[in-house]
Amino acid sequence: KAGVTQTPRYLIKTRGQQVTLSCSPISGHRSVSWYQQTPGQGLQFLFEYFSETQRNKGNFPGRFSGRQFSNSRSEMNVSTLELGDSALYLCASTHTDTQYFGPGTRLTVL
Amino acid sequence: QQQVKQSPQSLIVQKGGISIINCAYENTAFDYFPWYQQFPGKGPALLIAIRPDVSEKKEGRFTISFNKSAKQFSLHIMDSQPGDSATYFCAAATWGNMLTFGGGTRLMVKP
Repeated sequence: KAGVTQTPRYLIKTRGQQVTLSCSPISGHRSVSWYQQTPGQGLQFLFEYFSETQRNKGNFPGRFSGRQFSNSRSEMNVSTLELGDSALYLCASTHTDTQYFGPGTRLTVL
Repeated sequence: QQQVKQSPQSLIVQKGGISIINCAYENTAFDYFPWYQQFPGKGPALLIAIRPDVSEKKEGRFTISFNKSAKQFSLHIMDSQPGDSATYFCAAATWGNMLTFGGGTRLMVKP
């Protein structure tokens, strides 16, 4: 089976812009989670989607949002970008408690 | 609030030695404890995971030891190899979702 794929792999944006990141989970996996990884804060949970519904949400501002489509693909959106949003954004698909991570999208905000 | 504390932050081990990384958690509702390995430019990859009903789990050179009463768990890498040089993260979760990660340990195995 193909692994979790994330697009784009790299992204450069300026403050105030918005960005959309995409994630395709492993075939058959219905749960998708998103995490932010930064040197200062480490790996932090953003949100989880299951069958197109947000099931859990981490402690992030409302500028961070997501959605899941009927084919389990997921997108996350960050509006009004801030410098501190520069991070590696990781998507994971879950099967029987195990989360399989994609390679991430490296977002740089200038 | 950091719910999973990981130590040490960095570790240097000679080839063939044992690497030991420790984690402590606070939330007694956690019931799933995985360890992830991350190489530069890659996403974390699951190494091994344990549930609180067992005290130890071994897979190849990797062993998790779990102490429920102390709310601590550790990763032991036996016969450490240069290829094991990576960042290791412990994590905890309820029902396998919403992983709470430790701060990470950067391991360097010297040849």
